[in-house]
Amino acid sequence: KQEVTQIPAALSVPEGENLVLNCSFTDSAIYNLQWFRQDPGKGLTSLLLIQSSQREQTSGRLNASLDKSSGRSTLYIAASQPGDSATYLCAVNKDDKIIFGKGTRLHILP
Amino acid sequence: DAGVIQSPRHEVTEMGQEVTLRCKPISGHNSLFWYRQTMMRGLELLIYFNNNVPIDDSGMPEDRFSAKMPNASFSTLKIQPSEPRDSAVYFCASSLPPSDTQYFGPGTRLTVL
Repeated sequence: KQEVTQIPAALSVPEGENLVLNCSFTDSAIYNLQWFRQDPGKGLTSLLLIQSSQREQTSGRLNASLDKSSGRSTLYIAASQPGDSATYLCAVNKDDKIIFGKGTRLHILP
Repeated sequence: DAGVIQSPRHEVTEMGQEVTLRCKPISGHNSLFWYRQTMMRGLELLIYFNNNVPIDDSGMPEDRFSAKMPNASFSTLKIQPSEPRDSAVYFCASSLPPSDTQYFGPGTRLTVL
């Protein structure tokens, strides 16, 4: 059974710092992996999607990497801003079954 | 585009009552997903449809839950009878293959007393 783990559950960093969020999964035979952002009381917004054949994807200050063999993905946020404060979730897709991690709650300190 | 639309945004009901949650996917999207989010279990996929046909409902917790998609622009998730443990935020999402990017609605916060 696929399990997705995100550590740490919460993270606070000063504004301007670069940071890395981690996601690990137990079954490496995935179709793709997606990173989402969720603001309090809101739905999820897709940030980046990495297909199983890809190693990374970039969008602005965000870079997501995927290492299927080790069952890991990272989301790198450069030059963090207070507006980046949110919960970040990763989700893996295998055989159309989408399993989410419980997320990392990120707080950027002004 | 208005995005995925869900209604109601908040629902408070008493145990035993029927609850119907509604979702309008993004126009043109032919995949639709229903999720439930709780603090304890996180975000769980309940069911998803492709071209209005249920493909995988293995995440539906029990027979009290049912979902329909009578046409490409509307889906419902029904709970009958509702129980306090059903209290959660229910999200609907849609996508357009071959892109796997899912677009989420704002969610319905359900409270069963």
